[in-house]
Amino acid sequence: EVVMTQSPATLSVSPGERATLSCRASQGVSRNVAWYQQRPGQVPRVLIYGASTRVSSIPARFSGSGSGTEFTLTINNLQSEDFAVYHCQQYDDWPQTFGQGTKVEIK
Amino acid sequence: QVQLVEPGGGLVKPGGSLRLSCAASGFSFSDYYMSWIRQAPGKGLEWVSYISGSGGSIDYADSVKGRFSISRDNAKNSLYLQMNSLRAEDTAVYYCATYVPAAVGGWFDPWGRGTLVTVSS
Repeated sequence: EVVMTQSPATLSVSPGERATLSCRASQGVSRNVAWYQQRPGQVPRVLIYGASTRVSSIPARFSGSGSGTEFTLTINNLQSEDFAVYHCQQYDDWPQTFGQGTKVEIK
Repeated sequence: QVQLVEPGGGLVKPGGSLRLSCAASGFSFSDYYMSWIRQAPGKGLEWVSYISGSGGSIDYADSVKGRFSISRDNAKNSLYLQMNSLRAEDTAVYYCATYVPAAVGGWFDPWGRGTLVTVSS
């Protein structure tokens, strides 16, 4: 199965700064990657699918990029509600698999 | 408002069985694929199973194939996961989620709040 490796495990960022999260696939997954946000005590919600298509309700400060094996989630101008765990998921190959998550914490 | 609620978790002994349920509201349940996803303590998310809107298409992760069975009752807007021959490694928070099929595979949204299943003697 495709292994999704997220880095770093924890990212310390100050409010208003930019956070850059990485997700690497063990084999090419085209652009079939989704990103999820899981706030403390809340359920995951999808932010991005197709590597870069933002869900309509998600603020424009969230953006996704990448293809093949390297993917990035960028969060500009971090707000207090953005401190959360972020998961990537590939759905190009069976079974669909998730990364271990990156925790974005307040610096 | 879309809502997915999963009661039914709990403590079960190794080798035991448990049935999870997920009550859906706020959308046309029978039109959507549904899925179960789990997260073991300190681990990442793991897809477990999905079922099509009609129930005619079902799939399982290899880790649960032959032990778990997914089903749905569209008249009751409910999704189920029958878990048999439970093992310690099945201990996790189990989420139900709507599965959004894409040209290849798909993603999951929205998710329920999750229910904790603990397998321990």
